[in-house]
Amino acid sequence: QTVVTQEPSLTVSPGGTVTLTCASSTGAVTSGYYPNWFQQKPGQAPRALIYSTSNKYSWTPARFSGSLLGGRAALTLSGVQPEDEAEYYCLLYYGGAKVFGGGTKLTVL
Amino acid sequence: EVQLVESGGGLVQPGGSLRLSCAASGFTFSSYWMSWVRQAPGKGLEWMANMNQDGTQKYYVDSLRGRFTISRDNAKNSLYLQMDSLRAEDTAVYYCARDQGIAARPGEYWGQGTLVTVSS
Repeated sequence: QTVVTQEPSLTVSPGGTVTLTCASSTGAVTSGYYPNWFQQKPGQAPRALIYSTSNKYSWTPARFSGSLLGGRAALTLSGVQPEDEAEYYCLLYYGGAKVFGGGTKLTVL
Repeated sequence: EVQLVESGGGLVQPGGSLRLSCAASGFTFSSYWMSWVRQAPGKGLEWMANMNQDGTQKYYVDSLRGRFTISRDNAKNSLYLQMDSLRAEDTAVYYCARDQGIAARPGEYWGQGTLVTVSS
């Protein structure tokens, strides 16, 4: 059973910077896992933010960036806004099937 | 505008079956991989299954293989999820999502979801 692990919760101050990470139980996350990141606010469907490690969609705010960091996929928010308070999920590709991480609840306080 | 509208959810008894539908519009449905993702109440997202444009490739999460079947009808611009032998733990909001390819851009667009409740 493949497990993808994220920080359960993080808190950041408005205007600050925070990095969320995504680890795989199979080992280091590489670009071959095509890391994706999604944002979900209460009562809403998820929204795609980052695909293939670091690529942004046309609607993704510039303050969001994706990378690989120390064997994990990472999502960095720079200049956090109050509206960034949400749950964030990573998704990794395992040769056909995919697995979501457990999600990180980001609080902006 | 890309639109995905799920339907078919509702209350079903344990052991029962349900077929979910996802109506797609605003894009050429037959050109895209499609996925189902679910979310149990208060829990995280769970990727369930996806399939390619002509239905010749299908992938499932191991825990659901054999009980759930993904399918599509390109003539009707629709994606389906046949769910059999339902259990209480299948209670969730079920989302369909459009993928850009098998791996690169899963879940580029999402529907609003349909709630399935498995209870006696």
